[in-house]
Amino acid sequence: GENVEQHPSTLSVQEGDSAVIKCTYSDSASNYFPWYKQELGKRPQLIIDIRSNVGEKKDQRIAVTLNKTAKHFSLHITETQPEDSAVYFCAASDGGGSNYKLTFGKGTLLTVNP
Amino acid sequence: ETGVTQSPTHLIKTRGQQVTLRCSSQSGHNTVSWYQQALGQGPQFIFQYYREEENGRGNFPPRFSGLQFPNYSSELNVNALELDDSALYLCASSLSLRIGGGEQYFGPGTRLTVT
Repeated sequence: GENVEQHPSTLSVQEGDSAVIKCTYSDSASNYFPWYKQELGKRPQLIIDIRSNVGEKKDQRIAVTLNKTAKHFSLHITETQPEDSAVYFCAASDGGGSNYKLTFGKGTLLTVNP
Repeated sequence: ETGVTQSPTHLIKTRGQQVTLRCSSQSGHNTVSWYQQALGQGPQFIFQYYREEENGRGNFPPRFSGLQFPNYSSELNVNALELDDSALYLCASSLSLRIGGGEQYFGPGTRLTVT
């Protein structure tokens, strides 16, 4: 089955700096890659996603890049703010089709220091 | 917020007991997936329901079972509870990829503690 590795496990940045979180996946048939933000005690919130027919996607301060050949994808957050502090999870689909079983990484705790 | 609701919010059960957790999907969504999230870990896929039928299952034993109703709400049942079942149980609703969807939106979760 699919295996998703996520790095780093913790990341501390100064407000205004950029943050990058990287994930690798094992199943070359995976074709959908969402990112979730989870604040303490809250639900995972979908913040951005990318499908395998696209190499990059941006939404304001957030961007995701995908390298299908290398089987890795990354989340980029620019101009970080204290409210960006949370645990971020990457995920990969289990081969697409009509069943989007998501396999998650172990998460990255991002701390943005004012 | 996503419009996905779950009940109850918290639950404490004793080892060996049975539990039922409930999820109401977002309006217009026909697919519900259940995940188990242990403390400090990412969610793990339990199973998915599409149009009232199981549509994929993760590495969980048969004592984890589910249902989906005609209104697309869903239940997760766990029999013979074990201490390791203590976790946050999340449901996620989505529109089937068959009709152009796929994005999964999570409910707030049910925190289950087994003692």
